[in-house]
Amino acid sequence: AQSVTQLGSHVSVSEGALVLLRCNYSSSVPPYLFWYVQYPNQGLQLLLKYTTGATLVKGINGFEAEFKKSETSFHLTKPSAHMSDAAEYFCAVSYGGSQGNLIFGKGTKLSVKP
Amino acid sequence: AAGVIQSPRHLIKEKRETATLKCYPIPRHDTVYWYQQGPGQDPQFLISFYEKMQSDKGSIPDRFSAQQFSDYHSELNMSSLELGDSALYFCASSQSGLAGPTDTQYFGPGTRLTVL
Repeated sequence: AQSVTQLGSHVSVSEGALVLLRCNYSSSVPPYLFWYVQYPNQGLQLLLKYTTGATLVKGINGFEAEFKKSETSFHLTKPSAHMSDAAEYFCAVSYGGSQGNLIFGKGTKLSVKP
Repeated sequence: AAGVIQSPRHLIKEKRETATLKCYPIPRHDTVYWYQQGPGQDPQFLISFYEKMQSDKGSIPDRFSAQQFSDYHSELNMSSLELGDSALYFCASSQSGLAGPTDTQYFGPGTRLTVL
């Protein structure tokens, strides 16, 4: 069965520091890949996605992610953390078509220290 | 831009009662997905509909049913509620491409169900 692994349930960085949130998927067939952000008591907001084409994708709020097929990874990065980035981040995969449902990782809670 | 609308936003029910959650997708979106997110958990897929037909089924209990109507809105009906059904229920919508449902799902704000 396909699965998504997010390393680190909690990540803490200082304001202005690099943000790196890790995501690996287990599938022989490359899926569609997504990162969503969830602020407390709110819904899920799409940050970025990879479907085909360029493996480095840029999203909203200065985030980007790189699809590495050889490593089955889709890590999320941001060069300089801002206090407003504190939230929970979910990596998700889907396979499109009739299996378009998203399979989520367990999430990583990002804290940003002043 | 219009977003996915879910109602109600909060719902409190007693055990063994029933609940109906509604989802109004983004205009021209024809695919709806339902997810359940328990406290401190990741969202789990329940069920999806494409063009008013069930397209996929996940970990949805038999006590739950859902449908998509002619105007593409969807309702999730939950009966014989249990304490463990307390969760945030998300609806997401997407727009089909020529080959069927495309890949990007847009989420609503969720309905928080509390079962007492």
